[in-house]
Amino acid sequence: EDQVTQSPEALRLQEGESSSLNCSYTVSGLRGLFWYRQDPGKGPEFLFTLYSAGEEKEKERLKATLTKKESFLHITAPKPEDSATYLCAVSGNQFYFGTGTSLTVIP
Amino acid sequence: KAGVTQTPRYLIKTRGQQVTLSCSPISGHRSVSWYQQTPGQGLQFLFEYFSETQRNKGNFPGRFSGRQFSNSRSEMNVSTLELGDSALYLCASSWGQGGTYEQYFGPGTRLTVT
Repeated sequence: EDQVTQSPEALRLQEGESSSLNCSYTVSGLRGLFWYRQDPGKGPEFLFTLYSAGEEKEKERLKATLTKKESFLHITAPKPEDSATYLCAVSGNQFYFGTGTSLTVIP
Repeated sequence: KAGVTQTPRYLIKTRGQQVTLSCSPISGHRSVSWYQQTPGQGLQFLFEYFSETQRNKGNFPGRFSGRQFSNSRSEMNVSTLELGDSALYLCASSWGQGGTYEQYFGPGTRLTVT
């Protein structure tokens, strides 16, 4: 069965305290792994696409990596404006989303 | 470049009624997917349309239906509304079909069923 599991469900960090979010998956015929950011009351905002194990993508304080069974979203020296829910999705025949990690960065 | 737009942004309906939601994709995008988002279930895939044809369907009852027009705009219809249909309905557009390309989401339509 295709599925995506994200951990932790919630994460509280002090400003500047780096950490990682995890996305583990099982999917038949992986076409891509996607990271999104979602702010309350808004649609998810696209961050990264990863297609193959070993691939890495970076954007400002965020870095996404991919292995054969999981992906990590590393957040370096986070700021309060990074507070949001981060969603992971994998695509086989369709998109499967995880339930997200709710990140709170405290000033 | 304009993003994905959804109308209306908010809706309040009564049980038993039906509702139609609209989505305009990013210009040039031919794939439109619909999702239901609830606090307990997260984002659940409803269906995907590409070139006016439904290409994929999630595990939802037949009360949920959709269509896509020749200009790639899409509509989603829910008939005989139930209280459990209260959710944020999100539309996402993509350049290609089937999950190879990233999807870009609209702001969603918040549906409340009373």
